[in-house]
Formats: sequence, structure tokens, C-alpha cells
Amino acid sequence: GAGVSQTPSNKVTEKGKYVELRCDPISGHTALYWYRQSLGQGPEFLIYFQGTGAADDSGLPNDRFFAVRPEGSVSTLKIQRTERGDSAVYLCASSWTSGEHEQFFGPGTRLTVL
Amino acid sequence: GDSVTQMEGPVTLSEEAFLTINCTYTATGYPSLFWYVQYPGEGLQLLLKATKADDKGSNKGFEATYRKETTSFHLEKGSVQVSDSAVYFCALSGNDYKLSFGAGTTVTVRA
Repeated sequence: GAGVSQTPSNKVTEKGKYVELRCDPISGHTALYWYRQSLGQGPEFLIYFQGTGAADDSGLPNDRFFAVRPEGSVSTLKIQRTERGDSAVYLCASSWTSGEHEQFFGPGTRLTVL
Repeated sequence: GDSVTQMEGPVTLSEEAFLTINCTYTATGYPSLFWYVQYPGEGLQLLLKATKADDKGSNKGFEATYRKETTSFHLEKGSVQVSDSAVYFCALSGNDYKLSFGAGTTVTVRA
């Protein structure tokens, strides 16, 4: 079946603009995760959803970042007033539930803030 | 907090050479340990995992053993191929669901 998909694959924006990044998890997966990967680094945890609720948003760097998953499937990561330091690859992953279940990753969205 | 330290790259090898990538971790409790691989132009894929001490994870000729006494999870392959060229990430998951990743090691295998 289809894997995790993310759109857009690339996003270039100007400093101060608002962006939305979309994640479509694997059908039936109840857990969804967002990670951010800066150049030359491993992914860093941002937020985790179990169903519709954000179970843990402790990795969000500040209040410019927000994510939703209103129907327990698709999720949108929203970044307000973007800054150059937000430039990174944003990865989404999903799993059947949390815990020991394997996380399946999408291809990522490369965000560039000019 | 939980953290992973892995060998810096890049690593360049000839086909059929032996590959080892060192990984050590710091965590409370008994984490699960993973190796993820990212092939050029593709997303992260789980390569292998181990969930308790002395477990050995294996896949595609790669192996790693969970060593609690040395807090290590080194990745090895006895004979690499050009198709093994990728970025390899060591990761752990503690008592929650978050994955903590190392910085990644770029491996290039030459024919």
C-alpha cells in the first residue's frame, strides 16, 4: 500500500511569511510524528499525535510552530513568521500506535526561508 | 536526556570491504535501539532494531548487537556493495515514543 506522503516536497518562502506543511500517514496508523532535520544532523522530535490530539508537543521550538490533526489522519504543521533558522527538512512518520511499533517515514518537505 | 553518538563520516569503502559504524547511547532505563538508513533520494527506512540487552538485530547482511555494558549498538556488514551507499542513523526510543537520532554517517561504496 501507499507509504507516508508529504507535500510539498520543496517550499521556498521569504522571512516573515506563513507556511503549511502537510502529512498523509499510512492508512490506519493512529500515531503520527513530526521531526525536523537540519543539514548534517539527525532528525529531532517536534510533536506526536495519538489520534486527533497532540499527546506531546515538547519538541516544538517556540510558539510560531503549531500542528493539527483534526480527523486523526492528515496532519498539518504550521509555521508563522518564518525565520531563516527554520530552514530544514521536515519529516513526518506514522505507526500503528506508539511505543514499540515501527515508525514509517515520509520523504520530507525541504523548507528554505530566504 | 536521551542521546546518541555515532561515528562521524564520511566513510568511503571499496566493494566487498568490511563496514563498521560505531554508535553509543545515553539513556535512562532500557531503551530500544535502531539503525535507520536513508538511500539517495529516498526517505528514512528502518534497517534493524533490538529491544533488549544482548539482542542482535539483522537485515540485508547488516548486524548490530545491543550491548548494555558498553551502551553501544555498533552496525557491521561483512561485505558491502555499491548499493549500500547511503546515510546511516543510529537511534533510540526510551520509555516513550520519541526517537532520538545520531547525526548520521554517510557511507560511499566504490566499485
